[in-house]
Amino acid sequence: GEDVEQSLFLSVREGDSSVINCTYTDSSSTYLYWYKQEPGAGLQLLTYIFSNMDMKQDQRLTVLLNKKDKHLSLRIADTQTGDSAIYFCADLPANRDDKIIFGKGTRLHILP
Amino acid sequence: ETGVTQTPRHLVMGMTNKKSLKCEQHLGHNAMYWYKQSAKKPLELMFVYSLEERVENNSVPSRFSPECPNSSHLFLHLHTLQPEDSALYLCASSQGSGANRAPNYGYTFGSGTRLTVV
Repeated sequence: GEDVEQSLFLSVREGDSSVINCTYTDSSSTYLYWYKQEPGAGLQLLTYIFSNMDMKQDQRLTVLLNKKDKHLSLRIADTQTGDSAIYFCADLPANRDDKIIFGKGTRLHILP
Repeated sequence: ETGVTQTPRHLVMGMTNKKSLKCEQHLGHNAMYWYKQSAKKPLELMFVYSLEERVENNSVPSRFSPECPNSSHLFLHLHTLQPEDSALYLCASSQGSGANRAPNYGYTFGSGTRLTVV
C-alpha cells in the first residue's frame, strides 16, 4: 500500500536553512507535493514536483527528488519566523483515482 | 482566501445537537473532499465526491452524513456526536481525473471548521 513518512518535528534557528525530509513507498507516484499549514488554517499548496524532475526551485524553496530512493526534501533558505508551520509531504500515485496521500506532517519550530 | 470557503469557522455543539458544516468552491473543480484533522491522528480522509457522486466513504460513523447537491457545494451534517469527534474539519477540492487531470493537479483546501463537542 501507499505510505508517506516524515519526521514529526524540526527546530531551526532563524536565518538558517531548514530541510524537511520525506520518504514514500509507491514507485508509481506521478506528482509529489509540499503543503504548509499555519496555526488555525487549512493546508496551502507550497510547491509540487513532477516525478520526472529531480529538482525544482522557487525563491527560498528548493525541492529535491531522489526517485530511486523514493526520497523528497524541502529546503527553506533563510528561515524566518513566518515559516513556522506544519509541512505536509504528499504524493499522487498512478491508478489511485486521483487520491493524494498525505504524510503526518512535520512541525517546523523557529528558534530566535 | 484560497477559493474554498468553509463555514462556520468555529462551532461548539452538544452531543444531542444537529448541525451542518458547509463548504463552497467556485474554482470550477469537479471533486470535493472532507478531511478530519485531530491532534492525535494525521489527516483522515472521510468522504470523496466526484461529479457530485460519492465515490469513497472511509468507514466513517453514520453520525456524519455528507451531502453534495452540486459541484460547488458540499455539506457535512452532524448529529449525536461524541467528544472524540472534536477536531478541525477540512474541505478540499480538485479538478480533473485520469487523462484529464491538470498538469499541476493538486487539492485546494479551505481554512477548516474547528468543531468542539461538549
